Amino acid sequence: SQTIHQWPATLVQPVGSPLSLECTVEGTSNPNLYWYRQAAGRGLQLLFYSVGIGQISSEVPQNLSASRPQDRQFILSSKKLLLSDSGFYLCAWSIRAMNTEAFFGQGTRLTVV
Amino acid sequence: AQKVTQAQTEISVVEKEDVTLDCVYETRDTTYYLFWYKQPPSGELVFLIRRNSFDEQNEISGRYSWNFQKSTSSFNFTITASQVVDSAVYFCALSEAYGGATNKLIFGTGTLLAVQP
Repeated sequence: SQTIHQWPATLVQPVGSPLSLECTVEGTSNPNLYWYRQAAGRGLQLLFYSVGIGQISSEVPQNLSASRPQDRQFILSSKKLLLSDSGFYLCAWSIRAMNTEAFFGQGTRLTVV
Repeated sequence: AQKVTQAQTEISVVEKEDVTLDCVYETRDTTYYLFWYKQPPSGELVFLIRRNSFDEQNEISGRYSWNFQKSTSSFNFTITASQVVDSAVYFCALSEAYGGATNKLIFGTGTLLAVQP
C-alpha cells in the first residue's frame, strides 16, 4: 500500500533562517506531488505541484521554492524565512490521472519567530 | 473563476444528532470533480469521497451521505447520528477537468464540527 511521510512534524525557526521540509512517498511510481499551506483560518492553498522529477510548477509568488530530486521525494525550501511563512504545510500525492483524489501527509507546523 | 464556499465556519451538535455541512462551488467547466476531506485534530487530511459532475446520484456510506445538486451548485455532506469521533474540520474541494492530470484541488475554508458528548 502507498504511504506518505513528511517531516519534521513541528519546527520553530527564526526569521531569516533557511528552511527544508521533506516529503517522501512509498508504494507508488510517478506520482504527482503537491505542497499545500494551511494558514490560520484553515483554508488550504496550493503552493507547488510536480508531475515528474525536476518539474515544478508554482501556484503563488512567494518566499518558498520546491524541488523534486527523485521520483518520490518532494522538498520545500526557503533561503530566508519570513514571519508570514508560518503555517501548517501539507505534502500530498496523487496518481497521474485526471481528477483523482490526493492523499496527504501528516503535515509540518512551522512557526517563524 | 473556480471557487468553493463553505459558509458554515463552525457547527456544534450533541452526539446522535444529524448534521449537514454545506458546500457551494463555482466553476466555468462542464466537467469537474468534487471532494470531501476530513481533518481531525492530528492535522492529516483524510479523503472521504470523490464525485464527478456527471453523476448526480446521492451516495451513502455508513453514517455519511452526500447530496450533489448541479442546479444549485451544491455538494452537501450529512452525518447521521453524529459521534464524538466525527469532531474535525471538514473540507470541500473542486478539481476541474481542464487541469489535465495535475489534479489541483481548490479547497473551501472548511467547517469545524464539534460533537459534544
